[in-house]
Amino acid sequence: GAVVSQHPSWVICKSGTSVKIECRSLDFQATTMFWYRQFPKQSLMLMATSNEGSKATYEQGVEKDKFLINHASLTLSTLTVTSAHPEDSSFYICSARVGGPGEQYFGPGTRLTVT
Amino acid sequence: AQSVTQLGSHVSVSEGALVLLRCNYSSSVPPYLFWYVQYPNQGLQLLLKYTSAATLVKGINGFEAEFKKSETSFHLTKPSAHMSDAAEYFCAVTYSGGYQKVTFGTGTKLQVIP
Repeated sequence: GAVVSQHPSWVICKSGTSVKIECRSLDFQATTMFWYRQFPKQSLMLMATSNEGSKATYEQGVEKDKFLINHASLTLSTLTVTSAHPEDSSFYICSARVGGPGEQYFGPGTRLTVT
Repeated sequence: AQSVTQLGSHVSVSEGALVLLRCNYSSSVPPYLFWYVQYPNQGLQLLLKYTSAATLVKGINGFEAEFKKSETSFHLTKPSAHMSDAAEYFCAVTYSGGYQKVTFGTGTKLQVIP
């Protein structure tokens, strides 16, 4: 089946620095990828939809200047958390659209801790 | 607008007992419905999906779900729980047209007691 990887799996950074998270589709091309944020014991919150070769579509309330998304190729999307603060600490999960509506393959997630 | 409600944030069952995780949806158009499973510190894995074909959907690991339009429900069941079923389960909804945004429920954590 389709495999989506994320790197790093866990990152700790200092407040004020930027962190880049990579999401790769390993054995297929993904024209559309999604970025989610998951708080402890809560559901996934869609942050943005990333389309290859175009600007990402951000959900309401998500700061596009803080969470920079780039989808430069059919197998790679990146999320950069700029000027990170402790409240940005969370589990970030990417997914790639495959097959029919709503079908997504998820990456294993990246746990970000901002100190 | 679309939404899903999962009743019970925590469910405990004995090993070998029936598993029933509840999900009710709200959608102004015919929905596509999904159940995903998440193991600790991992991403989500698709268990099964309903896309307007058969109302009883069979998925992986012995799970199945039945779409009941009259009850706006899509409950997940498994006849006999296994220890390896302990995980968090998410119900999700989307629809066939437009933006296809997927809305997830708040999740149900399944505990299996030996």
